[in-house]
Order: sequence, then C-alpha cells, then structure tokens
Amino acid sequence: EIVLTQSPGTLSLSPGERATLSCRASQSVSSSYLGWYQQKPGQAPRLLIYGASSRATGIPDRFSGSGSGTDFTLTISRLEPEDFAVYYCQQYGRPPSSFGQGTKLEIK
Amino acid sequence: EVQLVQSGAEVKKPGESLKISCKGSGYTFTTFWIGWVRQMPGKGLEWMGIIYPGDSDTRYSPSFQGQVTISADKSVNTAYLQWSSLKASDTAMYYCARNAKVGATQSAFDYWGQGTLVTVSS
Repeated sequence: EIVLTQSPGTLSLSPGERATLSCRASQSVSSSYLGWYQQKPGQAPRLLIYGASSRATGIPDRFSGSGSGTDFTLTISRLEPEDFAVYYCQQYGRPPSSFGQGTKLEIK
Repeated sequence: EVQLVQSGAEVKKPGESLKISCKGSGYTFTTFWIGWVRQMPGKGLEWMGIIYPGDSDTRYSPSFQGQVTISADKSVNTAYLQWSSLKASDTAMYYCARNAKVGATQSAFDYWGQGTLVTVSS
C-alpha cells in the first residue's frame, strides 16, 4: 500500500497569504492519480484537485495542484477566510487507494 | 443534481450487526463506482473499499477485508456497508462517495454523502 505523508501537520497563516501544502508518496503515483480534498468541521470532504493538477468543478482558481512521481503540492495563492480547514491528499493510482493524514490550515 | 443520501446515525452495542445505506440520484447509478471512507473521531480519512453497482464487483482495502461487507442493490440505486459483529473500535463517521470517472476504479471521489455516524458502546 502506498503511504502518503503530508506536511506540515499544521500551517498557521493569515488571510491574503499564500499557502503551500505538501504530499509525499512512499512509491511513485502512476499517471499522477493524485487528488486533494478540503474538509471543514462537521462537513464531508470536498474534491478540489484531481489528476494532480486539474481543478474540480466550481473550485476557484486560487487553488492549484502540481507535482508528479512521489512529490505533490497544493497551493492556495491568496487565502480567503473560508479556506481555513483540513486538507487531505489521496492517491488512487495503485490499489488500495489511500489518503494522507491531513494538514490543518489555521488562522494565524 | 447528483446526490448521495446516507441513512441516519446509529447507536449499537458490541456484537450487534448493522447495515447502513447510501442512495444515489441524479445520475446513472450503475455506471460509477461507489466507495466507503471511514473517519474515526478526530482522525483522518481511510479508504475502505469500492463497489460497481452495475455488476456488484467489489474491491476492499486489506485493512477492511473480512471486517465489513460492501454491497449494492441497483434496483433501488443504493449501496450498503455492513458489519456482522460490531466492536467499539468501529465507532466512526462513515462516508460514501462516488468515483468521478465513469466506469473507472482509479478515480478521485467527486460527490460525497453527508456521512453516517456509527457509535458502538456498551
């Protein structure tokens, strides 16, 4: 099973700042089958990015994904108040699919 | 509009059985894999397995193989997750979610149910 390690565990930033979240895989993720999700308290996760860099329907363009192989990044260009949440990466290229442990993005 | 609507919260005792449901609407239910994801209290997401409602082909994570059963009834557009003997450690929120790519096992989840909270306590 591919293990995904997200860093940092917690990221403290202010609205308007840029956020960079990392997801590192224990083995290469084939065909960039890597997604990112946002989860707010009491809500189901929401898909932000699929295929490492494609934004899901309705996702603002301040969210962008990049990377390949074992190293992937989610970037939020200018943080809005509603962006403070927990973010998870998921690989679905090699069964079983797996999630990272999450990065909590909190207001500084 | 695509929707996945899950059954309500459950409180059970250890050793009891349970089956929770996830009803899909707004799309062709038989052509998208449906997955189940566990989230234990205060913890992250865990991929449990997926099912193709068209023919009930099922894939499990090794961590959950033999611990739960995933099934589907295409006549009522519903997927299920069941336990034959619950443990306290099964206490968690369980989400169903739809694979984004039609017919593909390898896909992100684009639509999610609202979650079903399962509490197992004596």
